Amino acid sequence: EVQLLESGGGFMQPGGSLRLSCAASGFTSSSNAMSWVRQAPGKGLEWVSVIRDSGSTYYADSVKGRFTISRDTAKNTLYLQMNTLRAEDTAVYYCAKMFDTTVWYFDYWGQGTLVTVSS
Amino acid sequence: EIVLTQSPATLSLSPGERATLSCRASQSVSRNLAWYQQKPGQAPRLLIYDASNRATGIPARFSGSGSGTDFTLTISSLEAEDFAVYYCQQRANWPPLTFGGGTKVEIK
Repeated sequence: EVQLLESGGGFMQPGGSLRLSCAASGFTSSSNAMSWVRQAPGKGLEWVSVIRDSGSTYYADSVKGRFTISRDTAKNTLYLQMNTLRAEDTAVYYCAKMFDTTVWYFDYWGQGTLVTVSS
Repeated sequence: EIVLTQSPATLSLSPGERATLSCRASQSVSRNLAWYQQKPGQAPRLLIYDASNRATGIPARFSGSGSGTDFTLTISSLEAEDFAVYYCQQRANWPPLTFGGGTKVEIK
């Protein structure tokens, strides 16, 4: 059974950093494209970043240069390093598995982890 | 960036009624469109991919249609568990992958 479990969310002041983790089980995350999607309180879904099975990475313009997606193959874990946090980064962050390596829909999602950025 | 516009923002219906949700793309996405359902406090769930293919375990009352710029999600007969927010998402032109703003299906 595919499971995704995020952790690492919390409260941070503007300008700070956080690292989110997503532990995958039931499949090999490095053999799939994996993504982060966020949802601000009461708002819709926003794609943040994706890492392909090849290791190539892509980012939304809103986070480019501040966020870094990576993975640890041995731990079957996905990460999102978030630097220079802004108030507008406040959201629930979901880890999601892509449908397959080239078909970029999100077929499995974690339960999400809340990041709050406020002074 | 492809912008997806969903309508209506809110749909008020009774159980047993038919729901028709729309998603319009700012440029053609061919059939590269998916639909998701999200209930309060839960992660989204993939319902439909490539415009009309039901994902694993999705009931037959959910169907998708359309191509190019105009897409429809139809729920043939609403059940209690179907009242939720629905999002469309395109994969035709990325980055970025984009979502629509959502349609809330509420009990009338």
